[in-house]
Amino acid sequence: QVELQQSGPGLVKPSQALSLTCAISGDSVSSDSAAWNWIRQSPSRGLEWLGRTYYRSQWYNDYAVSVKSRITINPDTSKNQFSLQLNSVTPEDTAVYYCSRGRWWFDHWGQGTLVTVSS
Amino acid sequence: EIVMTQSPATLSVSPGERATLSCRASQSVGGNLAWYQQKPGQAPRLLIYGASTRATGIPASFSGSGSGTEFTLTISSLKSEDFAVYYCQQYSDWPTLTFGGGTKVEIK
Repeated sequence: QVELQQSGPGLVKPSQALSLTCAISGDSVSSDSAAWNWIRQSPSRGLEWLGRTYYRSQWYNDYAVSVKSRITINPDTSKNQFSLQLNSVTPEDTAVYYCSRGRWWFDHWGQGTLVTVSS
Repeated sequence: EIVMTQSPATLSVSPGERATLSCRASQSVGGNLAWYQQKPGQAPRLLIYGASTRATGIPASFSGSGSGTEFTLTISSLKSEDFAVYYCQQYSDWPTLTFGGGTKVEIK
């Protein structure tokens, strides 16, 4: 079965970059039928889709307008994983971050990582 | 951006009773709607997609209906494990995918 395992630091300083990784088992990041997403959840913003990467003969990315200038999602085919980098973070970026699989709806999720932005 | 509004914010129901949750879209999303269940400390779990198709392993006690701007999730007979927060999500405005604010189903 598909499992997503997240890793990365839980504390990031303001103005620095947040980096998380999601390791995939039971599927491939290069699948031509899946998409690999990052979603976050906070009390103030609720569930917020951030972006995705997917492979359809070449790699594509889609990003939410709210973070488009700061976000990068990259696949790593050698390790069958994908990553999130969010630059110039502020305390408003404090949230539980989830990776997930899905083109339109999300059928598998990682365990979640609480990332706190604080000095 | 399509705004998803869920009501009520909290629903108090007795075990064995029926629960009806609503989700409204600020503009038509057709049938492009999913429902999720989330328990404390866990990731959301997909229940319904395509407004009415149950995801793998989801019991028949969960049903979804609606199209356009008005959607409903019905839990026919609440069990203890069904008390949770439920979210709707539209995927019509691709690639901008948005969630509702959630309905908490609590024990009455």
